[in-house]
Amino acid sequence: AQTVTQSQPEMSVQEAETVTLSCTYDTSESDYYLFWYKQPPSRQMILVIRQEAYKQQNATENRFSVNFQKAAKSFSLKISDSQLGDAAMYFCAYRRDTGTASKLTFGTGTRLQVTL
Amino acid sequence: EAGVAQSPRYKIIEKRQSVAFWCNPISGHATLYWYQQILGQGPKLLIQFQNNGVVDDSQLPKDRFSAERLKGVDSTLKIQPAKLEDSAVYLCASSWPAGAKNIQYFGAGTRLSVL
Repeated sequence: AQTVTQSQPEMSVQEAETVTLSCTYDTSESDYYLFWYKQPPSRQMILVIRQEAYKQQNATENRFSVNFQKAAKSFSLKISDSQLGDAAMYFCAYRRDTGTASKLTFGTGTRLQVTL
Repeated sequence: EAGVAQSPRYKIIEKRQSVAFWCNPISGHATLYWYQQILGQGPKLLIQFQNNGVVDDSQLPKDRFSAERLKGVDSTLKIQPAKLEDSAVYLCASSWPAGAKNIQYFGAGTRLSVL
């Protein structure tokens, strides 16, 4: 079974600084997707960024970028120029499509605090 | 574009009672998911529908949980009877079918407390 591990329960960053959240996963598959979701206190999971495993280029979305190391099964999220609104729980997730089945497997999350 | 709608927002019940949650997906999304998120954990898939058919319910405790998606649009998740360990946030998500366009969009969830 696929597993996703986030080893940092909490992280803190100062406003305008850069922070990196870590994620590792375990799979024997070669074709899959990886995601970072943000969950603020409102509870709604919001997609931050995604990566297709077959693409070597790391995904970027404005201030958010990933470092995808397929051989090492590592998928870290870098947040640049951190803002107060970035404070939330961040979840790393793995998805492998099997026919029409496409469940997300989540890690346990990292709580990000942003300080002034 | 309206997002995924869920109700109620909060529910408090006593153990052995029954409860139901409702979800209305984004218009046009054929695939609907129910996840359970226990405090301190990531969400775990309970059931996936494509249109009104079940794709994956391998992690649904079928002795007490049931779900339906009549007419392939909105969905109801029911727990009967509830146990203390069912206290969690129940998240609904919807998406296009599996593939590169499959991005799961989540609702705000229902927080269930079983006393």
